[in-house]
Amino acid sequence: AQSVSQHNHHVILSEAASLELGCNYSYGGTVNLFWYVQYPGQHLQLLLKYFSGDPLVKGIKGFEAEFIKSKFSFNLRKPSVQWSDTAEYFCAVSNFGNEKLTFGTGTRLTIIP
Amino acid sequence: DAGVIQSPRHEVTEMGQEVTLRCKPISGHDYLFWYRQTMMRGLELLIYFNNNVPIDDSGMPEDRFSAKMPNASFSTLKIQPSEPRDSAVYFCASRPDSTYNEQFFGPGTRLTVL
Repeated sequence: AQSVSQHNHHVILSEAASLELGCNYSYGGTVNLFWYVQYPGQHLQLLLKYFSGDPLVKGIKGFEAEFIKSKFSFNLRKPSVQWSDTAEYFCAVSNFGNEKLTFGTGTRLTIIP
Repeated sequence: DAGVIQSPRHEVTEMGQEVTLRCKPISGHDYLFWYRQTMMRGLELLIYFNNNVPIDDSGMPEDRFSAKMPNASFSTLKIQPSEPRDSAVYFCASRPDSTYNEQFFGPGTRLTVL
């Protein structure tokens, strides 16, 4: 069964710092990859997704992620974070042809003004 | 589009009581998913439906949990009897069809069982 690891449980950064959140998955077949964000008290919203093509994916609010197939990774990056990026970030993976999404345990990001 | 709608947004009940959570998916979406989010376990898939038919309920924790989708615009998740360990946020999500893999989440129901 697919599993997703997010090794950073809680990350604290100052505004304008660069961000990279790690995401690794276990199953090596064809996968669809997602990053969702959950702002405090709100529901999950899609940040970006990868289905095929260019492994560098750009999403909303200046976020991007790079799919590295050989490393089973899909790390999320942002060059300069803002206080409003304070939220919980979830990586999710689905195997091609499978409707189920497997989520990582999430990374809580706190931005200090 | 109103997005996925869930009700109630908050529910506080006592142990042993029946709890019913409701979800209205986005119109035209073929898939509906129920998730539970806790601090300990993160986001877990409980069950999902395709065209109102339950496809995979392997994530349903035990017989106290049941889910139905009587039509394309409504689903319920019922817990009977409820226990304190059921306290969590329950999310519903929908997805257009099998060719489009993004899921759209509702605002969730925060359930507290005393």
